[in-house]
Amino acid sequence: QSALTQPASVSGSPGQSITISCTGTSSDVGSYNLVSWYQQHPGKAPKLMIYEVSKWPSGVSNRFSGSKSGNTASLTISGLQAEDEADYYCCSYADSSTLVFGGGTKLTVL
Amino acid sequence: QITLKESGPPLVKPTQTLTLTCTFSGFSLSTSEVAVGWIRQPPGKALEWLALIYWDDDKRYSPSLKSRLTITKDTSKNQVVLTMTNMDPVDTATYYCAHRQLADAFDIWGQGTMVTVSS
Repeated sequence: QSALTQPASVSGSPGQSITISCTGTSSDVGSYNLVSWYQQHPGKAPKLMIYEVSKWPSGVSNRFSGSKSGNTASLTISGLQAEDEADYYCCSYADSSTLVFGGGTKLTVL
Repeated sequence: QITLKESGPPLVKPTQTLTLTCTFSGFSLSTSEVAVGWIRQPPGKALEWLALIYWDDDKRYSPSLKSRLTITKDTSKNQVVLTMTNMDPVDTATYYCAHRQLADAFDIWGQGTMVTVSS
């Protein structure tokens, strides 16, 4: 079970949109609509931003959206704000009822 | 309101066994579909899922660490315990416990506890 593949870093200017990809395999992302996304600010615990590929937990801005195509899931943040600067991790349910995280993506708001 | 808090030793020696406790409130691990998981994060590195325990005592482990991990629950105390054997410096990390919601996502996390493995 290998970690899901995410870009190490992405950047964007305030107001712009960015997309973070999360590539897995047919044993995880490709087979289950159970991809979640987490935001983590330095020194803080992760925060759930998206679950079941594209659903929002209560209180999360709809500027964050999720999608999936084949073995790749994506997180899109629209209308970038300075407070969105953080690390982002995807996570997928996988075969044998296990879970696997991505390697993380550092988002810089220019 | 759901809260979770991790506790355990901040320092362990190589080859020792680590025991971490997650004490939670706001839910019961005897309620159907409820689960609690453990996730760790080495300094400056990515999150890594370790283990999950369900309301019915079903347990799941990371395949790469399965031989070293044991997860248990004490429903009466609202606690989940994770033990990891044969600790190594590469196991130095912040260890989090988290509440799993129905879609296998962790919606509420503890603050994390930092564990350093060093002689």
